[in-house]
Amino acid sequence: EAGVTQFPSHSVIEKGQTVTLRCDPISGHDNLYWYRRVMGKEIKFLLHFVKESKQDESGMPNNRFLAERTGGTYSTLKVQPAELEDSGVYFCASSQDPWGSAPEAFFGQGTRLTVV
Amino acid sequence: SQKIEQNSEALNIQEGKTATLTCNYTNYSPAYLQWYRQDPGRGPVFLLLIRENEKEKRKERLKVTFDTTLKQSLFHITASQPADSATYLCALDPMDSNYQLIWGAGTKLIIKP
Repeated sequence: EAGVTQFPSHSVIEKGQTVTLRCDPISGHDNLYWYRRVMGKEIKFLLHFVKESKQDESGMPNNRFLAERTGGTYSTLKVQPAELEDSGVYFCASSQDPWGSAPEAFFGQGTRLTVV
Repeated sequence: SQKIEQNSEALNIQEGKTATLTCNYTNYSPAYLQWYRQDPGRGPVFLLLIRENEKEKRKERLKVTFDTTLKQSLFHITASQPADSATYLCALDPMDSNYQLIWGAGTKLIIKP
C-alpha cells in the first residue's frame, strides 16, 4: 500500500512568487492534515480536511496560504505571494479515524520550501 | 501558555542499554498522546499511541507510560541498537481539539556501538 506522498520534495523560490505543494494521502483516508516545521521550531498544525471540507484551518498563518482538497482526494497548499518567513518543511499527513479506533497519522516525507 | 517539553539536548546511550525519553506537558488534558520517530529528511513515523486511561503501552522493544497526574509521558527503548538513532517526537491531541496535534520539539537519540 502506498504511503502519503508529497511533491515536490524541495522548492526554492524568490520572495513574491507563488508555490503550490501537493499531497496525496493514503487511499481511503478521509482525514488529511497539513503541518509546518520552521527551522529550529516544533511542528505546527496548519489545517485539517475531512474529505473535501476544511474541518479546522485555525493554524493557517495568514491569507497568503490557501489549501484545497477537491474531490476529497489529493490536496494542494498554495502560498501566494511567498515571504521569507514561509521557509520551512511542510508535512502532509492522513489518518483513517482520528476520533476512534485508528487515530494515528501517517506522514509524507515533507516538502522543504526555501524562499530567497 | 500551553506547551510540550522534550529534552532539547541529544541523548547518548550505549548499545544494549535502555533509552528513556521524557515528554512533559502543561495546561492540557489530552485524550491521548503519541510518539513518533523522525529520521533526517523524512517525515515523522508513528510508533505508539497511549490513551488517557492507559498507564502503559508496549510494542516490541518500545514502551510508553502516561501519567496524567504528573502530566508526563516516558518513552523507553530496551536493548537499544544503533539503528534506533533518530529524533523522537511526542505529540498530543487536547481533548477539545478537532485533531490539532500539538508537538514537542523532539529529542535526538544517539545509540553508540
